[in-house]
Amino acid sequence: NAGVTQTPKFQVLKTGQSMTLQCAQDMNHNSMYWYRQDPGMGLRLIYYSASEGTTDKGEVPNGYNVSRLNKREFSLRLESAAPSQTSVYFCASSRQGVRTGELFFGEGSRLTVL
Amino acid sequence: TQLLEQSPQFLSIQEGENLTVYCNSSSVFSSLQWYRQEPGEGPVLLVTVVTGGEVKKLKRLTFQFGDARKDSSLHITAAQPGDTGLYLCAGTSGGGADGLTFGKGTHLIIQP
Repeated sequence: NAGVTQTPKFQVLKTGQSMTLQCAQDMNHNSMYWYRQDPGMGLRLIYYSASEGTTDKGEVPNGYNVSRLNKREFSLRLESAAPSQTSVYFCASSRQGVRTGELFFGEGSRLTVL
Repeated sequence: TQLLEQSPQFLSIQEGENLTVYCNSSSVFSSLQWYRQEPGEGPVLLVTVVTGGEVKKLKRLTFQFGDARKDSSLHITAAQPGDTGLYLCAGTSGGGADGLTFGKGTHLIIQP
């Protein structure tokens, strides 16, 4: 099983450029999440989607937008990238939300903004 | 914002030794999860604890949830090189917002 698939795995951007990180899960999960992981900061929630058609802000949403395209796919967009957005981004999914089950993570997308 | 403090931040020990890592908060959590993350990969769930005082064992790993549901510990017996990784605790308050709050993790290295 593929589980949670993220693309691209690596990306280098210049300040001000835009890009979209793609995420797809094949486990028929209802909830999907985007986290960023930075040294010394741990994993921080950017946005989540509790179910198809809904999205909500997490701890660090500024500078990002998301789209829950369908039940399988949840994308993260950087409209105007900044060096502070250099990070490793993880997409995750959960069957019915974290209060009732575990998170399944993708392998991560490493983004560098110059 | 609920915070989870993990200690120690870094730990390097010899194969065969025992160790304990801690996850502490001033807030009450409805459940706590422990994940292990290896370089270049996403975190993978090890265990979920939901009841105050609960103890769960996973082979050589023993997880405990504090009676007040504010802290947790992970004890590894006879550590092996394959235990090397970043150990993350994560909690949910059961409130309106979804998403886990993660600690910063303990980097564990088991030397052969």
